[in-house]
Amino acid sequence: GAVVSQHPSWVICKSGTSVKIECRSLDFQATTMFWYRQFPKQSLMLMATSNEGSKATYEQGVEKDKFLINHASLTLSTLTVTSAHPEDSSFYICSARADRANYGYTFGSGTRLTVV
Amino acid sequence: LAKTTQPISMDSYEGQEVNITCSHNNIATNDYITWYQQFPSQGPRFIIQGYKTKVTNEVASLFIPADRKSSTLSLPRVSLSDTAVYYCLLRELVFGTGTRLLVSP
Repeated sequence: GAVVSQHPSWVICKSGTSVKIECRSLDFQATTMFWYRQFPKQSLMLMATSNEGSKATYEQGVEKDKFLINHASLTLSTLTVTSAHPEDSSFYICSARADRANYGYTFGSGTRLTVV
Repeated sequence: LAKTTQPISMDSYEGQEVNITCSHNNIATNDYITWYQQFPSQGPRFIIQGYKTKVTNEVASLFIPADRKSSTLSLPRVSLSDTAVYYCLLRELVFGTGTRLLVSP
């Protein structure tokens, strides 16, 4: 089946620093990937749609200069949280869909970001 | 925006059948109904998808009435490991509040 790998699984960083999260489709090509954020006990919230070779599309209220998305290849999208602050601490999840799949989207295992 | 409504939580016991119903009164003609399962600190996992009537796979069944304004995910003989949050989606990218299922011994 389609596999999406996300790295790192958890990260702790200091306020003001930047953190990069990688999302890879291991056995399929993904022209589009999606980034979500999930706070404790809450549902997933779509942040942005990552498009290979072009600019990402951000959902309303998501700061594009703070959450930089790069989708340089058909198997890799990265999310960089710039100048992180404690309120950015959350669970970040990516997803993609294999063209051959007729069974929904595949999600990464998520990245737990803690900003101290 | 396609809105779904699910019970916030449900309790069950091992070996029982669990049915989680999702209401989606404003479902569009081209909307499919997809259910995902999420364990703590993990990404959601696809369970099942359907358009109408009944769909069954190795882990669950999905019942969709003719008017498609609701759907029911049926988990046969749940085990402790089925404790998770279950999400019903119309638009693949839009997650509702989900149903937190707790399975007890």
